[in-house]
Amino acid sequence: NAGVTQTPKFQVLKTGQSMTLQCAQDMNHEYMSWYRQDPGMGLRLIHYSVGAGITDQGEVPNGYNVSRSTTEDFPLRLLSAAPSQTSVYFCASSRRTSGGGPGEQYFGPGTRLTVT
Amino acid sequence: GQQVMQIPQYQHVQEGEDFTTYCNSSTTLSNIQWYKQRPGGHPVFLIQLVKSGEVKKQKRLTFQFGEAKKNSSLHITATQTTDVGTYFCAGPGPSGSRLTFGEGTQLTVNP
Repeated sequence: NAGVTQTPKFQVLKTGQSMTLQCAQDMNHEYMSWYRQDPGMGLRLIHYSVGAGITDQGEVPNGYNVSRSTTEDFPLRLLSAAPSQTSVYFCASSRRTSGGGPGEQYFGPGTRLTVT
Repeated sequence: GQQVMQIPQYQHVQEGEDFTTYCNSSTTLSNIQWYKQRPGGHPVFLIQLVKSGEVKKQKRLTFQFGEAKKNSSLHITATQTTDVGTYFCAGPGPSGSRLTFGEGTQLTVNP
C-alpha cells in the first residue's frame, strides 16, 4: 500500500493564481481531511469528508474548495492564491471508529506552498 | 467552538531528563489521540485513549486520559535524541465528525 500520497511536494504561486493540491489514499478509508500547518499554530482543519460525495468545512475553509467524487481522491483547490495561504498542507485519511468519528489519522508527506 | 490547548509550547531538556506535555479540552472528549511530528516530517499517530482514567504505556512513553475526559498527558522517561519533535494531541469535536488538534509541544533534546 502506498498509504496517503500528495502532489506536488513543493509549489510556488503568484498572488491570484489558482491550483489544485492532489491527495489520494489506497486504504479504503471513509474519512479524508485537509490541514494547514503554520509555525506555532499546530494543524488547522480546512475541509473534511466523511465519505464519497460528502464534504464539510473545518476551521479555516475560506479561499479553498474541495470535492470527493471517489473514496480514494480528495483534491483541494485554491481559488485565487493569497500570501496568507503560504503554508504546509497535509492531507490525512482515517477509518470511521465504532463511535462514528474519525480514527487514527494517516498523513501524507505534505505540500509546501509559497504564494508571492 | 471546541478548543484544545497544549502546554508547554516549547520544552528543552538534557538527554536523560524526563518530559511531560499536557493537553486540555474545553469540552468532554469521547477519545483523545496523540501524534508525533519529526522536524520536516508529517504527523505520525502514536496512540488513542478512550476510557476515563485510562493509562497506556509504549516503552518510555506514558499516556494518561483524565477522569473527566477533558485532559490528557504524555510523559517521556529518560529522553533520548530520537524523541526530538513536536507532540500533538487531538480530540473530536461535539459533533464527533472532525478532529481538533492542539498547537503542539516542540521538544528539543540536548545530547
